[in-house]
Amino acid sequence: NAGVTQTPKFQVLKTGQSMTLQCAQDMNHEYMSWYRQDPGMGLRLIHYSVGAGITDQGEVPNGYNVSRSTTEDFPLRLLSAAPSQTSVYFCASSEDRTNQPQHFGDGTRLSIL
Amino acid sequence: RKEVEQDPGPFNVPEGATVAFNCTYSNSASQSFFWYRQDCRKEPKLLMSVYSSGNEDGRFTAQLNRASQYISLLIRDSKLSDSATYLCVVNGSPDSGGYQKVTFGIGTKLQVIP
Repeated sequence: NAGVTQTPKFQVLKTGQSMTLQCAQDMNHEYMSWYRQDPGMGLRLIHYSVGAGITDQGEVPNGYNVSRSTTEDFPLRLLSAAPSQTSVYFCASSEDRTNQPQHFGDGTRLSIL
Repeated sequence: RKEVEQDPGPFNVPEGATVAFNCTYSNSASQSFFWYRQDCRKEPKLLMSVYSSGNEDGRFTAQLNRASQYISLLIRDSKLSDSATYLCVVNGSPDSGGYQKVTFGIGTKLQVIP
């Protein structure tokens, strides 16, 4: 019973590098979201998807891209990493449009040097 | 003004004590309300929903005051295992497709002391 799986769990990048954070869920949930969590800021929504082929921007989308080619997968791409993107990233899924409850992955701790 | 505001704490309480957290929200059109729990370096998990009439789940009681736009969480008989950060979560109005965005507070840290 995997739920939401995020990889990698830890990553260190240099400024300007690109990478993709992977997120997969096995609950057949239509709704998926990416958040970042920073001290004193709470969880902030980066991008979300309401189904395969449909994505939209959240509160802090700049510097990130997403795609949703399948129901299961929702990768987050950092185009050109910046130190301001150092954060903990959480992927979440939910069963319906009320977006509750949200099922979170373990998180990816990302440091940009 | 932040959409959802919480006192970050920490609240340090002895085992067996009763502790209460409040959370205020700014959007009067907010639809629904929740408390999530987040253990250190772990993912958030739903603790309980908050209903207009108030609701209990064991030692936990949640209340909503729409007039004053705040929700509260009361924990009775605190246990060491209750030590965590408690996130106030608010669902916004549905968009044209019925989708509700979720806003998280920064969380209130609780440390229960032996």
